[in-house]
Amino acid sequence: DTGVSQNPRHKITKRGQNVTFRCDPISEHNRLYWYRQTLGQGPEFLTYFQNEAQLEKSRLLSDRFSAERPKGSFSTLEIQRTEQGDSAMYLCASSRGGGRAAYEQYFGPGTRLTVT
Amino acid sequence: GNSVTQMEGPVTLSEEAFLTINCTYTATGYPSLFWYVQYPGEGLQLLLKATKADDKGSNKGFEATYRKETTSFHLEKGSVQVSDSAVYFCALSPLGGYQKVTFGIGTKLQVIP
Repeated sequence: DTGVSQNPRHKITKRGQNVTFRCDPISEHNRLYWYRQTLGQGPEFLTYFQNEAQLEKSRLLSDRFSAERPKGSFSTLEIQRTEQGDSAMYLCASSRGGGRAAYEQYFGPGTRLTVT
Repeated sequence: GNSVTQMEGPVTLSEEAFLTINCTYTATGYPSLFWYVQYPGEGLQLLLKATKADDKGSNKGFEATYRKETTSFHLEKGSVQVSDSAVYFCALSPLGGYQKVTFGIGTKLQVIP
């Protein structure tokens, strides 16, 4: 169990550019989540995958955001035409899944995005 | 919708002092409740959880009891250490087929020697 990994850890980009982040979950976990955390706030849910299916997207996820999880393994989060308001820490988490039990979510270290 | 309200920090305590961080929630049904901790430079870690009313979650000397009647899940520790300095997040997830977690704003705790 190597934990959830995220790459890159830091990304600085200019407004209007596209960026893509990657998340590698714990291998046996079939659920994967993306959250966004701005300074001084708690993480906010963005989207959720069960295996390769994206089952829910938050209203926070505008049309410029897209997430994929091909083959139900790693996931990517892409932001197109970045804006300064996109500057935040993007967190990925994974968990086991099934039924109505509350399985622990394991978080990665996050990718800090700065849009200049 | 679901929401979590927790006391804003920062909270500064001397080593061996008693800690309470208040947390209340709004949710339908019977959510699961969590405390997560974020140490400086590290990712979020689950500290403790409770999945039904009157359950007490505990870990590393921290405790929190799920109080349905007051919709609260206050975090307590009898004697804090410098190593407990971190940001603490109260959170909930609804009972269902998955767990979209709703977090509070976070409370920064600083313990001084």
